[in-house]
Amino acid sequence: DIQMTQSPSSLSASVGDRVTIPCRASQSISDYLNWYQQKPGKAPKLLIYAVSSLQSGVPSRFSGSGSGTDFTLTISSLQPEDFATYYCQQSYSLPRTFGQGTKVEIK
Amino acid sequence: QITLKESGPTLVKPTQTLTLTCTFSGFSLSTNGVGVGWIRQPPGKALEWLALVFWNDDKHYSPSLKSRLTITKDTSKNQVVLTMTNVDPVDTATYYCTHETTVTPRRFDSWGQGTLVTVSS
Repeated sequence: DIQMTQSPSSLSASVGDRVTIPCRASQSISDYLNWYQQKPGKAPKLLIYAVSSLQSGVPSRFSGSGSGTDFTLTISSLQPEDFATYYCQQSYSLPRTFGQGTKVEIK
Repeated sequence: QITLKESGPTLVKPTQTLTLTCTFSGFSLSTNGVGVGWIRQPPGKALEWLALVFWNDDKHYSPSLKSRLTITKDTSKNQVVLTMTNVDPVDTATYYCTHETTVTPRRFDSWGQGTLVTVSS
């Protein structure tokens, strides 16, 4: 199985900050990397797929980068509605696997 | 527009079998490439992928739960059913049904609202 690692598990930031969230795969997954946002009590929502493609309706302040094993989700200017937990997920192979999540909290 | 909705018991006793149904609309499970999967999330914890069934009835399971899971599809009813045997309190979680895209790189682009299942005597 491909293990997905997200660290830190949480971070504190202020509105307007630039935030970067890393994700590492245990082996190369090419560009088969997706990001999801989850708010408390809600189902996860697809943000970015194929490393850097924004899902329809997602604000342009979100971006993704990386290749192979190391990936990053960037929020260019954090907004109040962005405080949530973010998960990376690989679709390179089965079983599909998720990272442990990074919770973005208000500083 | 794709919608998915999970249904099933909210409370099950340890050692019992849990059966969850995903009823969906906006796509057909007979369309080449389509997949429907199940993902769960224990309270306060991370997402865990459980199982996936494809349009051609190809089925895949989490290795750690494979012996306890069965996923089936009913294309005529637009439903996917997940069965988990011998449940334990650690199986307490919100269970989500998801649509996996037909195009690659694949992703879970639509999710159900989730259903909370509690395992307790």
